[in-house]
Amino acid sequence: GDSVTQMEGPVTLSEEAFLTINCTYTATGYPSLFWYVQYPGEGLQLLLKATKADDKGSNKGFEATYRKETTSFHLEKGSVQVSDSAVYFCALITQGGSEKLVFGKGTKLTVNP
Amino acid sequence: NAGVMQNPRHLVRRRGQEARLRCSPMKGHSHVYWYRQLPEEGLKFMVYLQKENIIDESGMPKERFSAEFPKEGPSILRIQQVVRGDSAAYFCASSPSGGTPGANVLTFGAGSRLTVL
Repeated sequence: GDSVTQMEGPVTLSEEAFLTINCTYTATGYPSLFWYVQYPGEGLQLLLKATKADDKGSNKGFEATYRKETTSFHLEKGSVQVSDSAVYFCALITQGGSEKLVFGKGTKLTVNP
Repeated sequence: NAGVMQNPRHLVRRRGQEARLRCSPMKGHSHVYWYRQLPEEGLKFMVYLQKENIIDESGMPKERFSAEFPKEGPSILRIQQVVRGDSAAYFCASSPSGGTPGANVLTFGAGSRLTVL
């Protein structure tokens, strides 16, 4: 079945450090890929998405590129802030008639001042 | 335009009791999804409903769990005879249609956190 594998956390960085959270996937068909963010005590918010190979999703300084050849969708940010502290989930949807997201386990990021 | 509304936000039940979680989708959305997040885990799909229809319940436990989305009113996730392993955050999401995957991105509610004592 379809699956998403994320790098395990937790990840702790200092403010203004470079962030990479790795995500790889296995899917039948041609998935759309997503990054969601969950701030403490809140629900998930869509951070960015990409729907076809070589697409780059970007939002709030975060970027991820859909790499079909390596089945990856790594999340990057050049300079993190304390307010970026959250749990980040990589996810995919494959064709099949419903928008059933398959999530990775999540990576907790803590950014210290 | 209110987002996806879930209530209660926090629910405490003793083993053997029933838990009812409600979800009101975004205005204009007719599709509802329920996900469960166990501690230290990602979200797992449970069920997908449209008004008065269960479309996909492949992620629902076979016993004690049921879901509905009536013609009027919110979607309800019902857990009978709760056990400690049911303690989790339950998230609801809605979308305007089942259309092209990725084109209608789900909008999530803030979740309902169930604690079973």
